[in-house]
Order: sequence, then structure tokens, then C-alpha cells
Amino acid sequence: DAGVTQSPTHLIKTRGQQVTLRCSPKSGHDTVSWYQQALGQGPQFIFQYYEEEERQRGNFPDRFSGHQFPNYSSELNVNALLLGDSALYLCASSLGTPDNEQFFGPGTRLTVL
Amino acid sequence: QKEVEQNSGPLSVPEGAIASLNCTYSDRGSQSFFWYRQYSGKSPELIMSIYSNGDKEDGRFTAQLNKASQYVSLLIRDSQPSDSATYLCAVKDYGQNFVFGPGTRLSVLP
Repeated sequence: DAGVTQSPTHLIKTRGQQVTLRCSPKSGHDTVSWYQQALGQGPQFIFQYYEEEERQRGNFPDRFSGHQFPNYSSELNVNALLLGDSALYLCASSLGTPDNEQFFGPGTRLTVL
Repeated sequence: QKEVEQNSGPLSVPEGAIASLNCTYSDRGSQSFFWYRQYSGKSPELIMSIYSNGDKEDGRFTAQLNKASQYVSLLIRDSQPSDSATYLCAVKDYGQNFVFGPGTRLSVLP
């Protein structure tokens, strides 16, 4: 049973560039959430996708956008990268039920120079 | 603004002792509570979930929830050096987003 997978593992970009991160949920899960985790901090919720629609969004600017595909996989896009976007980006999957548990992927380490 | 607070630590305990990790949350509408363990450079790993007041035990781990006090804790019995990690408390309300605390760094000394 495959867990949550993310690609790429590491990424280096320069300011102003755009980046796309990818996530495949755990088998049987239909909901994908994205988080940003800066060094020494807890994960910060970016948004959640369910049935190919953004269901909830955290306090992140419109430069952060996403998509969910019919097979439940998801992408996170960040435009006009800033130095402050450097972080570990985590994808978590769950079932879209009230008492769902989230399981995290290994993350993508993004460095913006 | 929904907040989850934890002592950042580090919390140091000797091997074999009980480690006690605490978390408070601001939103009285919170329904589900989770503890994650995160090793340095790795992603969070789910340890425990708890939904109703009282204690929930799983092996060496016990989660305790008191909704009236807006407080959730994690006890680790017989602490091992391999338990050394950052422990994240996460809280979920009727919505679908999780709010994480900043984490408590635990160090178990051999």
C-alpha cells in the first residue's frame, strides 16, 4: 500500500520564477492538503482540495494556487517566488470525512535564491 | 485567529522516564486532536488521534484531552533515545483544515 508521495525531493529556484510541486495521495484517500513549513516552525495550512475543488484556504496570497486531478493527485503552484517562500512543502492526504486523519508525504524542500 | 500553543522546549528527560508534552488551543469548536512526531529533516508522522475527553492509550503513548480546559497532552512512557524528535500538536474544527502548534523538541538522554 503506497503512502503519500511527493516530487521533486529538492528544488532550487531564483526570485521571480515559478514552481510546480506534485503529490500523489495514499491509496484510498480523496483529499489532499498542502502545508508550508519554515525551519523551526509548525506546518502552516495553505489549502485543501476535495473532488477537484479548493475546499478550504489558509492565509496565503494568490501567488499560491493548486489543482486536483480526477485520480486525486494534486499540484501546488507558486508564482513570482520570493526568498521567504523557501521552506519544506508538505502534502497530506486523508479521506473527506469529519474525523479523518491526515498522513504526510516526505515533502519537497524548496530553496529560493 | 485560531491558535495552538506548545512549549518549544527542548524538553530533556532521561532514558526510561515519562515525557509529558502539552498543548493548548484557542478554538472551543475544535473537534479532533492529533499528535505528530517529526524527526529532523523528515515529514510529520501521525502518532495518536483523540476525539473525546479522557485518555487514549496506544503502546507507550497516552493522549489526554480536556475540552473544557482546551488542553491536550501526550505522555510517553519508558522514553527511549529514538523518541528524540519534535512533537507537533494539531487541532481540527468542523472545517477541514488542521492548525498546528510550533512543536516541542524532546531530547531523551541515554
